[in-house]
Amino acid sequence: TQLLEQSPQFLSIQEGENLTVYCNSSSVFSSLQWYRQEPGEGPVLLVTVVTGGEVKKLKRLTFQFGDARKDSSLHITAAQPGDTGLYLCAGGPGNTPLVFGKGTRLSVIA
Amino acid sequence: ETGVTQSPTHLIKTRGQQVTLRCSSQSGHNTVSWYQQALGQGPQFIFQYYREEENGRGNFPPRFSGLQFPNYSSELNVNALELDDSALYLCASSLMPDSNQPQHFGDGTRLSIL
Repeated sequence: TQLLEQSPQFLSIQEGENLTVYCNSSSVFSSLQWYRQEPGEGPVLLVTVVTGGEVKKLKRLTFQFGDARKDSSLHITAAQPGDTGLYLCAGGPGNTPLVFGKGTRLSVIA
Repeated sequence: ETGVTQSPTHLIKTRGQQVTLRCSSQSGHNTVSWYQQALGQGPQFIFQYYREEENGRGNFPPRFSGLQFPNYSSELNVNALELDDSALYLCASSLMPDSNQPQHFGDGTRLSIL
């Protein structure tokens, strides 16, 4: 069974600070997806990274896929209260359904 | 384009009862996956349906069962409900069954077992 470990589990920061959250596995993934989930809603896809070493940017969010395709990071610059939510990474080898990490719960305080 | 819709949004049951949750997939999507999300956890994969056939199952007992219909909508059935079944049940649809495909989630059914 492939496992995705996310860290930190909880993060509380002030508006304007930068942060990085991590998603790690001992297995190789064909791709990794990042989702954000807000209370009372389902997860919403932010980005998919496919190539080892790939970097994708989505406004103030920067996603990186590790060279060996076993880990990924999400960096948020100048966090805002609207960034508050549960950040989930998910992946799989390609021929099986997605496996999700437990998520990082981010709280950005104004 | 109609997104993924789930019904009901909330449900309260007692131990031993049975429940059916419903999901309408996004237009054009032939794959539906069901997840259980306990409080403070990430979604746990229950099973997936692709073109009306089960296409993979997570570590859930047989009392969790499902169906997919010709229009690709789906049902999740849980028999002999237990207290630990209390969770948010998420349905997600995708274009194809492999894990490289983005999942489009509904907002879930919050199931509470008393």
